[in-house]
Amino acid sequence: DGGITQSPKYLFRKEGQNVTLSCEQNLNHDAMYWYRQDPGQGLRLIYYSQIVNDFQKGDIAEGYSVSREKKESFPLTVTSAQKNPTAFYLCASRTGIDEQFFGPGTRLTVL
Amino acid sequence: KQEVTQIPAALSVPEGENLVLNCSFTDSAIYNLQWFRQDPGKGLTSLLLIQSSQREQTSGRLNASLDKSSGRSTLYIAASQPGDSATYLCAVDSSGSARQLTFGSGTQLTVLP
Repeated sequence: DGGITQSPKYLFRKEGQNVTLSCEQNLNHDAMYWYRQDPGQGLRLIYYSQIVNDFQKGDIAEGYSVSREKKESFPLTVTSAQKNPTAFYLCASRTGIDEQFFGPGTRLTVL
Repeated sequence: KQEVTQIPAALSVPEGENLVLNCSFTDSAIYNLQWFRQDPGKGLTSLLLIQSSQREQTSGRLNASLDKSSGRSTLYIAASQPGDSATYLCAVDSSGSARQLTFGSGTQLTVLP
């Protein structure tokens, strides 16, 4: 089955801790995206990557970092600099101006 | 900067009704518009994609229209069912190198049995 997988489904972070969210796709898509969703709000773009070894900041990149070493993978690290990281994180991918497909999401909670 | 608005924020209808969800955007220079469905605690499922050159797209009981000049799109759901209960989001792909989507905040639909 082609699709996007995200892990873990639930993640808990202690104060001052960095955590990494995984995103893998086997759709052969060039572009990958990370969004953050807060209750009752739309999605806000954190980072995106259009090709391997290249990525750009979105609207709310502060406190986050990414890498794109492989076409299939686009991990997101939530650093201790992100002061309010509790949210639902969604990874997506697409090629050109085609449909954007989403993974099932990771819910991050700060303890 | 592109802004996308969805009204109403929540909607309840009895089963069997036809309904319309609205989406408006401020910059008409778009490549396409996409409608998504999101169930609680889940990711987004793509429903329909309308390219800027198209006026509408249909899939089963769903019909989405696009009027670029007025900055509006509607999602029409025919003969609603309780299984249609979810949050519906629209997203606009605006011109520019970023090729990112701008999302509305969604309409939460409840179809009552």
